[in-house]
Amino acid sequence: DGGITQSPKYLFRKEGQNVTLSCEQNLNHDAMYWYRQDPGQGLRLIYYSQIVNDFQKGDIAEGYSVSREKKESFPLTVTSAQKNPTAFYLCASRWAEAGYTFGSGTRLTVV
Amino acid sequence: EDKVVQSPLSLVVHEGDTVTLNCSYEVTNFRSLLWYKQEKKAPTFLFMLTSSGIEKKSGRLSSILDKKELFSILNITATQTGDSAVYLCARMDSSYKLIFGSGTRLLVRP
Repeated sequence: DGGITQSPKYLFRKEGQNVTLSCEQNLNHDAMYWYRQDPGQGLRLIYYSQIVNDFQKGDIAEGYSVSREKKESFPLTVTSAQKNPTAFYLCASRWAEAGYTFGSGTRLTVV
Repeated sequence: EDKVVQSPLSLVVHEGDTVTLNCSYEVTNFRSLLWYKQEKKAPTFLFMLTSSGIEKKSGRLSSILDKKELFSILNITATQTGDSAVYLCARMDSSYKLIFGSGTRLLVRP
């Protein structure tokens, strides 16, 4: 079955550490997105990529970095510069003008 | 400003009630308006609306878009406990980015 796989489901980070969240899709979609969701809030765009080897900042990119070396993969690194990283992170992909397909998310907690 | 505003923020109803969820947006230049249902994790797609005044239906759910007044509504008739979720509205802009509202949390009591 085609879909988006995010791993891990739960992640704990100590303050000052960088962590990388994985997002893999086998839908052959060109565009991929990373969103952050805080409790009681909607989704806010962190980074997106319309094509391999290219990506753009979203509304809240500070403290995050991404890469898009393969069409299938769009990992997100939460750096120590992100001061409030505890949140639910959702990855999504899109084909043409269709709506998005979302992964199941990674819940990141700073301990 | 580039905002999507949903109302109410939360809603509690009893099974069998009909609910109407509202979504307004502040930018006139857009591509489409989408509705999602989010239970525990990933949002699941409900509707994509691009044309004004054309109702889309899926079972007990329906939605319509008013591009002149910049709003959309999502109706759920004969609600069931399984409809309990957060309903997210999002505007898709000309570059295919989704801008989300903060969601409406619906609780359907038996």
